[in-house]
Amino acid sequence: NAGVTQTPKFRVLKTGQSMTLLCAQDMNHEYMYWYRQDPGMGLRLIHYSVGEGTTAKGEVPDGYNVSRLKKQNFLLGLESAAPSQTSVYFCASSKGRGRELTEAFFGQGTRLTVV
Amino acid sequence: AQKVTQAQTEISVVEKEDVTLDCVYETRDTTYYLFWYKQPPSGELVFLIRRNSFDEQNEISGRYSWNFQKSTSSFNFTITASQVVDSAVYFCALSLVSGSRLTFGEGTQLTVNP
Repeated sequence: NAGVTQTPKFRVLKTGQSMTLLCAQDMNHEYMYWYRQDPGMGLRLIHYSVGEGTTAKGEVPDGYNVSRLKKQNFLLGLESAAPSQTSVYFCASSKGRGRELTEAFFGQGTRLTVV
Repeated sequence: AQKVTQAQTEISVVEKEDVTLDCVYETRDTTYYLFWYKQPPSGELVFLIRRNSFDEQNEISGRYSWNFQKSTSSFNFTITASQVVDSAVYFCALSLVSGSRLTFGEGTQLTVNP
């Protein structure tokens, strides 16, 4: 039972390079999220999706793009990496809405360093 | 907009002490969920509890207990007889019933010393 799986777990990028982080969930959840975690700032929402084919901006979307072509996958792209994007990235998924909302299940995280 | 504040950045206790982690939230919505997550040194996020805004009953699970007070917009977490394995960063979070995404507090680093 994999839950939420993120690929890769670690990555070092040079400024200006691009990359895609992949998130896959096997729980048939409708909702998926990308957060970044920085020291002293908790987790901040980058983008999220409420279903296949839909995406929306979160709290800190600049410099990132996302796609949800399949229900189980949620991709986070960095078009031109900057040192300010050095962070730990977490993907999460949840089921239901309103009073049926469950807790969010998180992936293991991706540690990204931009030099 | 929603906001969650965890004023305690770091707490250090000696094993077997009780410790309370504070969480204060802000929202104009009347229906919402509150959560606590644990992040051990290994880095994963572990779900601990979810509470509904329409149920103020406090909850106890083993050494863990949660005190939800709507009047003060607080959802505090107490660990009784702390253990070294409780050392972690603890996050409080809020989600609106009308939405799904979580708003996190800054986290509290708890260190339990033997």
